[in-house]
Amino acid sequence: DTEVTQTPKHLVMGMTNKKSLKCEQHMGHRAMYWYKQKAKKPPELMFVYSYEKLSINESVPSRFSPECPNSSLLNLHLHALQPEDSALYLCASSHPKGTGYEQYFGPGTRLTVT
Amino acid sequence: GENVEQHPSTLSVQEGDSAVIKCTYSDSASNYFPWYKQELGKGPQLIIDIRSNVGEKKDQRIAVTLNKTAKHFSLHITETQPEDSAVYFCAARRKTSYDKVIFGPGTSLSVIP
Repeated sequence: DTEVTQTPKHLVMGMTNKKSLKCEQHMGHRAMYWYKQKAKKPPELMFVYSYEKLSINESVPSRFSPECPNSSLLNLHLHALQPEDSALYLCASSHPKGTGYEQYFGPGTRLTVT
Repeated sequence: GENVEQHPSTLSVQEGDSAVIKCTYSDSASNYFPWYKQELGKGPQLIIDIRSNVGEKKDQRIAVTLNKTAKHFSLHITETQPEDSAVYFCAARRKTSYDKVIFGPGTSLSVIP
């Protein structure tokens, strides 16, 4: 089963709200990713967790705060977002280095900031 | 850093015809090249991939070829069907940047019944 699940599917939030996006996988993958995708553009990498430790932060503003509580879960905490942060947020997972290459994506959370 | 270019940006074919999407990469250290299909309202789906020690890989109607010397790789879809309509992204990853995949800008494929 190559499934990554994400909740919620859609989220509308105001600029003063605090919300969280959730991602889960049960494939035994130990690397998990957050991507941001704007319309008609490719996914842009935001964060990578490897063995539950943050390994890559692509200079993402601090209003986005990732968390990896365990090997199956990945969260993205949002606060004080701007309208330009509206996008599709994708979670992905893969085996860690040396054991496989394939990255599997979830369906995404469509975020609208008003 | 790595840069991936992709052509064409849009492609329209008649059902049953073949479709070819071409990508070039800049970093000769790249060693893994996945292709993703993204349907409207969904996340990208890995459809095929190729590693740098292989020149061609096939999976039913889909094939990928890699020319390491020219730093080109291509996706070939034969006998296209309407359900092949989607955005296709090529990508490349460096051996030394295991977790970081660089995507091409995407090709919007329309298969006309």
